[in-house]
Amino acid sequence: EPEVTQTPSHQVTQMGQEVILRCVPISNHLYFYWYRQILGQKVEFLVSFYNNEISEKSEIFDDQFSVERPDGSNFTLKIRSTKLEDSAMYFCASSTRVWQFFGPGTRLTVL
Amino acid sequence: DAKTTQPTSMDCAEGRAANLPCNHSTISGNEYVYWYRQIHSQGPQYIIHGLKNNETNEMASLIITEDRKSSTLILPHATLRDTAVYYCIVGSGGGADGLTFGKGTHLIIQP
Repeated sequence: EPEVTQTPSHQVTQMGQEVILRCVPISNHLYFYWYRQILGQKVEFLVSFYNNEISEKSEIFDDQFSVERPDGSNFTLKIRSTKLEDSAMYFCASSTRVWQFFGPGTRLTVL
Repeated sequence: DAKTTQPTSMDCAEGRAANLPCNHSTISGNEYVYWYRQIHSQGPQYIIHGLKNNETNEMASLIITEDRKSSTLILPHATLRDTAVYYCIVGSGGGADGLTFGKGTHLIIQP
């Protein structure tokens, strides 16, 4: 069964550092998403991406965040200068249209 | 904010049917009802979705009331592996729209 994969599973970084979280969506999917979940809180939508551009973004997705699909398979989320409050699980998802398939997540810890 | 209301938690005996209710009284005519679940800190998993008619797949059944203001997810024979947080989400027919997760229902299957 096809699945969304994410690397790394756990990333530890110092405050102020840049991090790149990587995702490989399901190969024939057209829509790509990032979500985050702070420990003990709700899953929150960050951004959606379609046809090589951002389609929708939430208020959380400010100038510190960027997304890219550098080749035909990877989809990345970059946080330019991490803050303590960026510590969370980050989930990538992809879809053909109707429902979304989620990856296992990357746990980001900012020290 | 989430447009749905769900009980915070529910218990169900293993082997029994688990019936999870959801209220979505402000749903629009073109909005779907989606159900996802999240086992521990894993990525959310799609279960089922519907617009007006009842739906069934290999995982569950979805019963939507005629006025579409509420729905029930039915897991016909719950197992211990069904212990998870279940999210009822109202949204458009997919595409680039992000999902708005609420707090969901924590379903605990008792042996």
